Amino acid sequence: NFMLTQPHSVSESPGKTVTISCTRSSGSVASNYVQWYQQRPGSAPTTVIFEDNQRPSGVPDRFSGSIDSSYKSASLTISGLKTEDEADYYCQSYDSSNVVFGGGTKLTVL
Amino acid sequence: EVHLVESGGGLVQPGGSLRLSCAASGFTFISYWMHWVRQAPGKGLVWVSRINSDGSSTTYADSVKGRFTISRDNARNTLYLQMNSLRAEDTAVYYCAKGIGLDYWGQGTLVTVSS
Repeated sequence: NFMLTQPHSVSESPGKTVTISCTRSSGSVASNYVQWYQQRPGSAPTTVIFEDNQRPSGVPDRFSGSIDSSYKSASLTISGLKTEDEADYYCQSYDSSNVVFGGGTKLTVL
Repeated sequence: EVHLVESGGGLVQPGGSLRLSCAASGFTFISYWMHWVRQAPGKGLVWVSRINSDGSSTTYADSVKGRFTISRDNARNTLYLQMNSLRAEDTAVYYCAKGIGLDYWGQGTLVTVSS
């Protein structure tokens, strides 16, 4: 089994850009797709990035995803931060027998 | 529009059982893998189980293996999670999610295991 490690929290000002990393403990991050979910307090998670870098319809293009296989990590970048982006963000990937979530990153926009 | 509605949560004593349901609509249910994911109060998301589209293949997290059973009724567009031998640490909101990439989630149902 592998683990996905995210920073516990990040903070940035409105209008700025923030990047949240997600590091895979073993195996290549490129071997299975990475998804990113946003969860606001009291709500269910929603998908903001699927298949490493694809945005569902309705998700603004301020959200982007990427992977860096040489560093075993995936990243979620949010540009032009808005106060409504304040939420918990989770990365997720899988292998043949498991689905794994990162521990989540609390994004504060202040 | 995709709709997933969980039900069946509640308060149960340690050692007890519950069966969760997830009613699906707005997509061709029989074509998709489905998952259960849980979230303990104030904690992160934890994957519980998945089932393939025709129900012939299932996978479980180690923490629930042997106690939980995932199943589906494709005629009723419904996903299930039978939970036996419940423990305090199973207390969580349980979500169902659609597809290999968990692209849509329900609103969740709360399971509380306490005496």
